[in-house]
Amino acid sequence: RKEVEQDPGPFNVPEGATVAFNCTYSNSASQSFFWYRQDCRKEPKLLMSVYSSGNEDGRFTAQLNRASQYISLLIRDSKLSDSATYLCVVNKGYSTLTFGKGTMLLVSP
Amino acid sequence: DVKVTQSSRYLVKRTGEKVFLECVQDMDHENMFWYRQDPGLGLRLIYFSYDVKMKEKGDIPEGYSVSREKKERFSLILESASTNQTSMYLCASSSEAAQYSPLHFGNGTRLTVT
Repeated sequence: RKEVEQDPGPFNVPEGATVAFNCTYSNSASQSFFWYRQDCRKEPKLLMSVYSSGNEDGRFTAQLNRASQYISLLIRDSKLSDSATYLCVVNKGYSTLTFGKGTMLLVSP
Repeated sequence: DVKVTQSSRYLVKRTGEKVFLECVQDMDHENMFWYRQDPGLGLRLIYFSYDVKMKEKGDIPEGYSVSREKKERFSLILESASTNQTSMYLCASSSEAAQYSPLHFGNGTRLTVT
């Protein structure tokens, strides 16, 4: 299994749709999980951390399943501005992070 | 707001040249990182530093070196540039161990080696 694996997409959805991405990771000792967002030709930016109990930030919900070693991101009521690449990120040891290759989301009018 | 500044947005160099990519952060962060990003390969860690004059190899350090003489500045050096080093280079910083603190990225340097 790759360290961090994501479906590259693209996911094409209409405005207002709900869309979900999954990400699997290989290191069962990983403790920290994040979703970053990267717009075209821009740098990645932290979207949200993923906690064991699951967490929500407005239209975005992140969940962690340690037993199956995957994390998920749910986006409700998609907006055109949500179009971006979403990067799944998992810690590798104490100091560094491993990035997935990203899932592209395209929201259309 | 954290600002990570990379000295060049676009750079074109010839094979065999020595190339310096500079990165400066203004938030007194201990940790600094250099990544490269390539289509289909995602972000890959080249080197990182958790203190002045300290450096650690990442996943793909071959052909690169780094320098951190001051806390705010982290330089990536391509000793002898090659065409396979054509890429987007991203510098990042964080205030604590990367697993606890978000990475703040610069806006990248797109390097082309001809």
